[in-house]
Amino acid sequence: DTQLTQSPSTLSASVGDRVTITCRASQTVSSNLNWYQQKPGKAPKVLIYAASSLEAGVPSRFSASGSGTEFTLTISSLQPEDFATYFCQQSYTLPYTFGRGTRLDVK
Amino acid sequence: QLQLQESGPGLVKPSETLSLTCTVSGDSITSSRHYWGWARQSPGEALEWIGSIHYRGNTYYNPSLESRVTISVDTSKNQFFLEMRSMTVADTARYFCARLGGLAMRFDPWGPGILTTVSA
Repeated sequence: DTQLTQSPSTLSASVGDRVTITCRASQTVSSNLNWYQQKPGKAPKVLIYAASSLEAGVPSRFSASGSGTEFTLTISSLQPEDFATYFCQQSYTLPYTFGRGTRLDVK
Repeated sequence: QLQLQESGPGLVKPSETLSLTCTVSGDSITSSRHYWGWARQSPGEALEWIGSIHYRGNTYYNPSLESRVTISVDTSKNQFFLEMRSMTVADTARYFCARLGGLAMRFDPWGPGILTTVSA
């Protein structure tokens, strides 16, 4: 299975901060990497697909890049509604796998 | 607007079979461009993909669960199903259904999830 390692596991930040989350794959996933946001008790919501494409309706402060084994998700200026858990998911090889998540909380 | 909703028991006894239903509204499950899948999330653990199905019957399962899982579809009801046998305490989790498709086979949208506890 392709393991996805996210760092950091927890990130404390303030409104207006720029934050970056990393996802590293144990083997190449090409550009088949998606990013999700999940709030407590809610279903995940896709933010970014295919490594760098912004899902429709997602604010432009979210961006992502990478290919192969290393990927980043950046939030350019944190808003109050962005405090949540973020995780990556690969669909290059079966079984599809997810990262363990990065919890973004208020500093 | 496409919506998915899981239904099923909130409590299952060890060794029993879990049966969950995902009802799709706002789109036909017979879309050729999409798969329909199940994932679960145990407390403190990463999300785990369980398996996916195409309305024509093609199914893919996570090898770690394949021996205990069956996913099926009923196009007449616009529903798909998860059956997981020989449940143990370790299977306690929130179970989600989702549509899969598009570039990079993303999960979108998801149902709200259903918490299933395995306990005697």
